[in-house]
Amino acid sequence: GAVVSQHPSWVICKSGTSVKIECRSLDFQATTMFWYRQFPKQSLMLMATSNEGSKATYEQGVEKDKFLINHASLTLSTLTVTSAHPEDSSFYICSARPGTSGGAGNEQFFGPGTRLTVL
Amino acid sequence: RKEVEQDPGPFNVPEGATVAFNCTYSNSASQSFFWYRQDCRKEPKLLMSVYSSGNEDGRFTAQLNRASQYISLLIRDSKLSDSATYLCVVTNTDKLIFGTGTRLQVFP
Repeated sequence: GAVVSQHPSWVICKSGTSVKIECRSLDFQATTMFWYRQFPKQSLMLMATSNEGSKATYEQGVEKDKFLINHASLTLSTLTVTSAHPEDSSFYICSARPGTSGGAGNEQFFGPGTRLTVL
Repeated sequence: RKEVEQDPGPFNVPEGATVAFNCTYSNSASQSFFWYRQDCRKEPKLLMSVYSSGNEDGRFTAQLNRASQYISLLIRDSKLSDSATYLCVVTNTDKLIFGTGTRLQVFP
């Protein structure tokens, strides 16, 4: 089946630093990748939709200058949390949708997530 | 109002029990419907798609009622390994909209 990896799986950083999270589709090409955030006991909230070679589309309320997304290739998207603060501590999950018929319709394949803790 | 609503639970049931989860969605234009399973501190994993005609996959049965904007999941003969959070998910264009999930705990 389609595999998506994320790196790192967890990260602890100091307030004010920037953190980069990578999302890779390992065995398929993904023209579209999605970034979600999940706070404890809450649902996954879509942050942005990333299309290869173009600018990401951000959901309402998500600051594009704070959460920088780059989707430079068909197998890699990165999310950079700039000037992280404790309130950015969360579980960040990416998903990838195959660009061909590798998936059924809207099916998205999720990465294992990255747990960010900002001190 | 949340776009996808679920009872958060927890549902505590003994092994072998039958348990049902419900979900309602607010956008009548929603196109596809899914149940995902999420274990603690893990990513969500697709359990099954949901169709108006109803569909079954082993011990799991899903049902969609478009008129009532209601989705259900029935788990028969619960196993300890079924303990997880079950997420109701609908699509709006190409976006997945997640419910907050219903927590299931199966005990021996």
